[in-house]
Amino acid sequence: AQSVAQPEDQVNVAEGNPLTVKCTYSVSGNPYLFWYVQYPNRGLQFLLKYITGDNLVKGSYGFEAEFNKSQTSFHLKKPSALVSDSALYFCAVSPRAGNNRKLIWGLGTSLAVNP
Amino acid sequence: EPEVTQTPSHQVTQMGQEVILRCVPISNHLYFYWYRQILGQKVEFLVSFYNNEISEKSEIFDDQFSVERPDGSNFTLKIRSTKLEDSAMYFCASSDPRALTDTQYFGPGTRLTVL
Repeated sequence: AQSVAQPEDQVNVAEGNPLTVKCTYSVSGNPYLFWYVQYPNRGLQFLLKYITGDNLVKGSYGFEAEFNKSQTSFHLKKPSALVSDSALYFCAVSPRAGNNRKLIWGLGTSLAVNP
Repeated sequence: EPEVTQTPSHQVTQMGQEVILRCVPISNHLYFYWYRQILGQKVEFLVSFYNNEISEKSEIFDDQFSVERPDGSNFTLKIRSTKLEDSAMYFCASSDPRALTDTQYFGPGTRLTVL
């Protein structure tokens, strides 16, 4: 079955330190990979995506993500965390088989950046 | 910047009642989606809609659910006879398949509570 895993329920980092939020997936073919962020009482905001090409993709608010095909991973990173980055982060995958555009989601990782 | 809007933000209903959740997708988008997130669980795909018909639906999207684009701007999700287990956050999304990225952009969600 197709699935997305975010192995950490919560990640805690100090402000100014680098952060990594992990994501692995089990989807056949060459899926599209996404990161979304959800702030309290807000919707799901698109951060970045990987379609093809360079394995390191850059997105909004200084975030980037590294695609690793052999490990089927798409980890979210930021070199220097801000307190305002504290939010819920979701990894999502689109199988892209035919007209299939649905997103398959991870459970989410709560990021807490401490001042 | 254009965004997806959803109304109401919170809907409380009695079991067995019909509810209609409303969404206004981004104006030039052609694909529309509904997802839901039961508290503590993953975001789940319900249905996608393109060219005035359902493009794909999940097993969750049974005969109790229907979608409609009644005019040029609204996209609705109807649940005919709500069950307790329909209580969830419902997210609407839209995308433009003509765009290189075809990214799904989400609304803020409607929290449905079935009593």
